[in-house]
Amino acid sequence: DAGVIQSPRHEVTEMGQEVTLRCKPISGHNSLFWYRQTMMRGLELLIYFNNNVPIDDSGMPEDRFSAKMPNASFSTLKIQPSEPRDSAVYFCASSFEVNEQFFGPGTRLTVL
Amino acid sequence: QKEVEQNSGPLSVPEGAIASLNCTYSDRGSQSFFWYRQYSGKSPELIMFIYSNGDKEDGRFTAQLNKASQYVSLLIRDSQPSDSATYLCAVDPGGYNKLIFGAGTRLAVHP
Repeated sequence: DAGVIQSPRHEVTEMGQEVTLRCKPISGHNSLFWYRQTMMRGLELLIYFNNNVPIDDSGMPEDRFSAKMPNASFSTLKIQPSEPRDSAVYFCASSFEVNEQFFGPGTRLTVL
Repeated sequence: QKEVEQNSGPLSVPEGAIASLNCTYSDRGSQSFFWYRQYSGKSPELIMFIYSNGDKEDGRFTAQLNKASQYVSLLIRDSQPSDSATYLCAVDPGGYNKLIFGAGTRLAVHP
């Protein structure tokens, strides 16, 4: 299995620009999670989906962040407009039901 | 008070020694507990999970859970330099796979 796939692996953008991060979960997994990791705040859950439906988005920092899962094999996390404080590593993870979460390689986002 | 607390370290141990990593959590009703390992620049990977009080062993790793004390630990026997990484403790308070992570403890195993 290819594992969780994320793109891009690195993104450098300027403040105010729109950023879209992409994730393809492991085939057969029905739960998908978006995390953000920074030195200051550690690994934080932003949102998670079950069977393509957003279940809990309480970790989404503000309205500038949005996430979608149009089908079982694809999800996006969008930041519009981006700010320097959004710089972090964003991880996508997937699982089958309430079992082990498998993490993707992450997207390192730098907002200048 | 943070929901999941870990000593940030670094915890430095000599090769072959036992490394002991500790974690406390605030939600007394938590049911599931996980230890993830994260190498620098890489993604977290699950190494152990535990649901019941007591010890759970898997190779060189032992997870220990004490729900009364709200404490979970990870022991690594015969530590190797390849064990040098950050170890993240995670708790699932509600049983819905919504994990809350600690800040992680950095372990350094020196030859």
